[in-house]
Amino acid sequence: DAGVTQSPTHLIKTRGQQVTLRCSPKSGHDTVSWYQQALGQGPQFIFQYYEEEERQRGNFPDRFSGHQFPNYSSELNVNALLLGDSALYLCASSATMNWDTEAFFGQGTRLTVV
Amino acid sequence: KNEVEQSPQNLTAQEGEFITINCSYSVGISALHWLQQHPGGGIVSLFMLSSGKKKHGRLIATINIQEKHSSLHITASHPRDSAVYICASHTDKLIFGTGTRLQVFP
Repeated sequence: DAGVTQSPTHLIKTRGQQVTLRCSPKSGHDTVSWYQQALGQGPQFIFQYYEEEERQRGNFPDRFSGHQFPNYSSELNVNALLLGDSALYLCASSATMNWDTEAFFGQGTRLTVV
Repeated sequence: KNEVEQSPQNLTAQEGEFITINCSYSVGISALHWLQQHPGGGIVSLFMLSSGKKKHGRLIATINIQEKHSSLHITASHPRDSAVYICASHTDKLIFGTGTRLQVFP
């Protein structure tokens, strides 16, 4: 079992551009959540997907959007990139929407906006 | 608003020392996660607990639901334990602390 896989691992974009990050959950998991982790900070919740719908959302602007596919994989899209969007983006998957099972995390995608 | 606070923010230790990292949260939760993050970013789940105590190898996690407090202990610390340790509370989503950076020197 490959666990949670994210791609790409590193990415450099220019201000104003758009970016798409991808996540494949652990086998058997149907819930995917995305987090943004700025340098030296704890991860901040962006949103959670279950059954191809956004179920919860953190305090992030509409520039951050996502999608979940029938195979439970997920994408995070960020439009009109700002320098402040530079961070590690983490994907976590679990077997239920309510986190009452162990969460598994990917290695993250490090996004640098220049 | 649920907030999660960890202490200390940074911790250095000599190999073999007993380590304690503390986590406090502000609202009732379903469970608390302890996570380990190595340089490069990957996060590994160490424990998920909702009461009492769990042990895995040299790691021990305890939680006191009434006091809204949890601790992570590392016995006989080793340089390979050097990492950032993060606690995360869960109600309807995970709320993370800012992490404790641990460095263990030989």
